[in-house]
Amino acid sequence: QKEVEQNSGPLSVPEGAIASLNCTYSDRVSQSFFWYRQYSGKSPELIMSIYSNGDKEDGRFTAQLNKASQYVSLLIRDSQPSDSATYLCAVGDNGSGNTGKLIFGQGTTLQVKP
Amino acid sequence: SQTIHQWPATLVQPVGSPLSLECTVEGTSNPNLYWYRQAAGRGLQLLFYSIGIDQISSEVPQNLSASRPQDRQFILSSKKLLLSDSGFYLCACILGTGNTEAFFGQGTRLTVV
Repeated sequence: QKEVEQNSGPLSVPEGAIASLNCTYSDRVSQSFFWYRQYSGKSPELIMSIYSNGDKEDGRFTAQLNKASQYVSLLIRDSQPSDSATYLCAVGDNGSGNTGKLIFGQGTTLQVKP
Repeated sequence: SQTIHQWPATLVQPVGSPLSLECTVEGTSNPNLYWYRQAAGRGLQLLFYSIGIDQISSEVPQNLSASRPQDRQFILSSKKLLLSDSGFYLCACILGTGNTEAFFGQGTRLTVV
């Protein structure tokens, strides 16, 4: 059973702080990794994708990937109250070729307090 | 850019009634299409995916079926709904060969009563 694990939270940070969200996955051959943001009652929105070990930065967001440790993280700098949402980690399922199937974690709820 | 349309946005249906949810995609051709379900307080579960017209793969045994009668149309159906079919149904799209990023429609919140 391929799994993606996230701490459900809530993770509470003050406005302006760095929020750090973590994710581990079980399938060693996974090649694609994604972070989605989901506001309450809304559909997930893709915010970052990462495929290679190391860091990838996009504005206030930085995704970090360590394939040896099977670990993906998302850092949000200068956190804003509007960042309060559930963050979903997703891993591409390579088991059946390039089908684009994703395995999702349960999500981490982030609360940014003014 | 692509646009994913899902309807209806919300739906309340009695147990034993049929279901049809539709998803259409604009702005792309030959996309991979997916149906996910998110139960209350849980993560997203892949139900079906399709890499082309009339090509449907089912991920979990269930009370639902899917069809893709046209390149950019994906339909989720049931003949008789169960209480356990309640959830947030999301259609997702990956744009053609070589792409890996999935984008979601607005979702349908189904409550079976």
